[in-house]
Amino acid sequence: GEQVEQLPSILRVQEGSSASINCTYENSASNYFPWYKQEPGENPKLIIDIRSNMERKQTQGLIVLLDKKAKRFSLHITDTQPGDSAMYFCAASANSGTYQRFGTGTKLQVVP
Amino acid sequence: EAAVTQSPRNKVTVTGGNVTLSCRQTNSHNYMYWYRQDTGHGLRLIHYSYGAGNLQIGDVPDGYKATRTTQEDFFLLLELASPSQTSLYFCASSEGSSGNTLYFGEGSRLIVV
Repeated sequence: GEQVEQLPSILRVQEGSSASINCTYENSASNYFPWYKQEPGENPKLIIDIRSNMERKQTQGLIVLLDKKAKRFSLHITDTQPGDSAMYFCAASANSGTYQRFGTGTKLQVVP
Repeated sequence: EAAVTQSPRNKVTVTGGNVTLSCRQTNSHNYMYWYRQDTGHGLRLIHYSYGAGNLQIGDVPDGYKATRTTQEDFFLLLELASPSQTSLYFCASSEGSSGNTLYFGEGSRLIVV
């Protein structure tokens, strides 16, 4: 199994609140977990990533958590703003020779 | 900033038609990828390459061919286009393989009628 499951598919939050997106993966050899943001009409861009030697990573209002035992990782956006409204994709990959597999995406809507 | 350029940006073709999507990267990256994006499916890998002349299959290769002519150029070929191939196609490049950031092109929207 190589699938990456992502939930929820749509997330609507109030401006200033937090938003959380969860992903699970099947391949226990996965060791790299990037998150990409795609604004309407744009291409996906990396916003944060975490490798399997870490459990938590934080940068500029974004927190990524990794639970290797549960094969689960998550993105938490604190103090959401209208500019955070976008599609978010998680991905996972194993060692060299493989490629990133993506989740099905979460459409985040931040409302005033 | 990495630069990945795709053409055409929009294309309409008929069922059975022949389509070539082009991608050029100027980052000196070894790896190049073709993904398709569909609602409810996310991004799915069609083909990828780790250098000129090399081709690897991804998760959804059926109905697609690809060719990497140089380090910079990667082409996706649909020789008998079908309506199921209507999609948004993204090319991407990365310095190394799986554990490296993907830099995506602007996307090519293909409609097969």
